[in-house]
Amino acid sequence: QKEVEQDPGPLSVPEGAIVSLNCTYSNSAFQYFMWYRQYSRKGPELLMYTYSSGNKEDGRFTAQVDKSSKYISLFIRDSQPSDSATYLCAMTPPGNQFYFGTGTSLTVIP
Amino acid sequence: KAGVTQTPRYLIKTRGQQVTLSCSPISGHRSVSWYQQTPGQGLQFLFEYFSETQRNKGNFPGRFSGRQFSNSRSEMNVSTLELGDSALYLCASSLPGSVGDTQYFGPGTRLTVL
Repeated sequence: QKEVEQDPGPLSVPEGAIVSLNCTYSNSAFQYFMWYRQYSRKGPELLMYTYSSGNKEDGRFTAQVDKSSKYISLFIRDSQPSDSATYLCAMTPPGNQFYFGTGTSLTVIP
Repeated sequence: KAGVTQTPRYLIKTRGQQVTLSCSPISGHRSVSWYQQTPGQGLQFLFEYFSETQRNKGNFPGRFSGRQFSNSRSEMNVSTLELGDSALYLCASSLPGSVGDTQYFGPGTRLTVL
């Protein structure tokens, strides 16, 4: 079983829709949770990070962590065509290597 | 602040050859991690260097090696290339002690092995 599981999609939504992206994990030692966005032929770009359980909001993006269920989510409100990219979740125990999901490919249709 | 830079951006090699990739971290970042990204496997951790020492290592064969210099720049070497080594190689730098040791990625080196 992989440490981090992420549905690869692809996910296709109309502009303005709310997008929900999810990851599950198995290691209860994970404490830091991150979402990265990767455009085609580019390196991943950090979108958001959260520590432990709870919600964090940044503009149209909301990251949610439920440690009891070992489940994290990224919500994108009012999705735009420029949000079309692959979204990677990542997590780590403190001071240790990062574990990434395989990424979910998102296309927002104008 | 300049971001993470990687050279070269694209590389074509043939089986059996060896290759060296270079990564310059963000100024002040002393940790550099290397990843292999392929469509089927996603991002797979190769190794991490901190202060010129390998601190963590993933499950890759010994053909994959790396090093870090005193200025925190890092190189990754792959010897005896195989077709399956074709991938995007990403390096990420972080500032240990920052919240979550958040990693910042470079644009990657796309390696094609023929």
